[in-house]
Amino acid sequence: AQSVTQPDIHITVSEGASLELRCNYSYGATPYLFWYVQSPGQGLQLLLKYFSGDTLVQGIKGFEAEFKRSQSSFNLRKPSVHWSDAAEYFCAVGVGGGADGLTFGKGTHLIIQP
Amino acid sequence: GAGVSQSPSNKVTEKGKDVELRCDPISGHTALYWYRQSLGQGLEFLIYFQGNSAPDKSGLPSDRFSAERTGGSVSTLTIQRTQQEDSAVYLCASSFRLVQGEQFFGPGTRLTVL
Repeated sequence: AQSVTQPDIHITVSEGASLELRCNYSYGATPYLFWYVQSPGQGLQLLLKYFSGDTLVQGIKGFEAEFKRSQSSFNLRKPSVHWSDAAEYFCAVGVGGGADGLTFGKGTHLIIQP
Repeated sequence: GAGVSQSPSNKVTEKGKDVELRCDPISGHTALYWYRQSLGQGLEFLIYFQGNSAPDKSGLPSDRFSAERTGGSVSTLTIQRTQQEDSAVYLCASSFRLVQGEQFFGPGTRLTVL
């Protein structure tokens, strides 16, 4: 079965600094990969997704992620964070074309320092 | 257009009572998913529908859980004889298609079992 690991439970970043959130997956073939963001009391919003093709994908709100097959990773990056980026971030993997639902990591809580 | 809506937003019930959680997907979305989000387990996939059919119910936590979808639209997740361990946020998502479909999430129903 597939699994997703987000090694960092909490990350604190100063406003304006760069950000990288780590995600590693375990799956025998190339999975579909997603990053979602969840603000307090809100549902999940898709930031970006990787299905195939270019391994560097651009998303909303200035986020990007790079798929590295050799490292089984799909890390999320942003060059300069804003206070509004404070939220919970979830990496997810989909297999079987989505028919099995998504498997999520435990999430990384992002704190922005002024 | 409207996003995925869920009702109620909050539900407090007593142990042993039955509850029904409703999900209204985005119009035209054929695939619908239910997830559960809890502190201990993170985000868990429960079940998906393609149209009105749920091919695999093995993700439901116990036989107290059931789900149905009618008219290819609204879905109901029913929990019978609720237990305290059922307390969680139940998230619904819908997708235009099952394969490589982006899942749009609703705001969730927070269930508290006393």
